[in-house]
Formats: sequence, structure tokens, C-alpha cells
Amino acid sequence: AQSVSQHNHHVILSEAASLELGCNYSYGGTVNLFWYVQYPGQHLQLLLKYFSGDPLVKGIKGFEAEFIKSKFSFNLRKPSVQWSDTAEYFCAASSNQAGTALIFGKGTTLSVSS
Amino acid sequence: GAVVSQHPSRVICKSGTSVKIECRSLDFQATTMFWYRQFPKQSLMLMATSNEGSKATYEQGVEKDKFLINHASLTLSTLTVTSAHPEDSSFYICSASSQTYGYTFGSGTRLTVV
Repeated sequence: AQSVSQHNHHVILSEAASLELGCNYSYGGTVNLFWYVQYPGQHLQLLLKYFSGDPLVKGIKGFEAEFIKSKFSFNLRKPSVQWSDTAEYFCAASSNQAGTALIFGKGTTLSVSS
Repeated sequence: GAVVSQHPSRVICKSGTSVKIECRSLDFQATTMFWYRQFPKQSLMLMATSNEGSKATYEQGVEKDKFLINHASLTLSTLTVTSAHPEDSSFYICSASSQTYGYTFGSGTRLTVV
């Protein structure tokens, strides 16, 4: 069965600390990978996505993610977090066939203290 | 960019009544629309996938007679929660898929059944 797992349920960091959120997927065939952020009271916003090509993907707000096929992983990173990064982060995956749904991980709550 | 409008944003209804939630792609045609449910501090759970003019495909465990999905056009999908009960209270999110814009999410509907 297709699935996405996020290892960290709640991460607490101080401002300027580095961030890495884990994501592993289980999918048959070619997979597209995404990271979304959900700020309190707001809707989902796409941070970055990987379809093919360079496995190191750069997104908005200084985030990046690395696709490691051998590890079935797509971890999200940011060198220096800010208080405004406090939010819920979701890893998601879909097959590369048109019309297939995104499957989400359980999410990671990031709390950044100033 | 692509915009998906979801209405209403909040609704309170009495137990036993039905509620309709609309999801519209405003400036593009969505080949497929998806409906998700999100419980507090949890992930988005896929409920169903709908294509214009055909019956929706429901995920295992989702009651199709309770959660009626109609996808009448390439820009509109509706989710009707029939005979709502307090346990149906949740956050419902739609997503529209297109070749041009990928996945675009609505801002969600907070349903409270009293």
C-alpha cells in the first residue's frame, strides 16, 4: 500500500537552529514528492516539490529537500529557522499518473522559540 | 496562479441535517478533484477522488451514502454530508488537480455538528 511516514511528531527549536524533518515513502513505481506547510488557521501552502532531475530541490522561504531514492526518503531542511517558521509541516507523495491523489504523512509540528 | 475557492469556510449545523460544501477552480479547469478530512492536529486523510461526469471513488472506510460527492463540471465539485452527526465535525479540504498547476488546495471548511 502507498504510504508516507514522518518520523518527528513535534520538533522544538530555538531561532537560528538548523532544521531537518524526516520523510519516508512507500510507493510502487515513479513517485512525485512534496512538502507543504500549514500555518495556524491557514490553508496548505506548497514549499517545494520533486518530480525528477536534480535530487536536491530548493523551495520557498529558504527550505530545501533531498530525494534519496535508495533510502526512499525526502527530508526537509532549513539551515536557520525563524520564529515565523512555527507551523505544521506535511510530506506528501503521489504517483506520476495524472489524476492520482496526494497521500499525506501525519505531519510534524515545528515550534520555534525566539 | 491557480485558485480554488471553497465555501463555506465555517458551518454549524444541527444533528440530522445535511450540509453542502462547494469547491470551485476559479481560473482553470480541474481534471480531478479530491476531498480530504483533517482532524485537529492530524494529517489530511483522503476521502474520495472525483472526476467530472463520473462517480466518485471513495477510500476504504468512507461511507459513500453519507458523504455524497457530485462533480458536475470541470470547475465545480460538491461534498454533501448527509444526516450529519457530531462525529462528522471536522475540517474538510478540497484539492483540484490540473496538468498546468498540479495540486491546488481550497482553504477548507470547518464543520461543527451540534
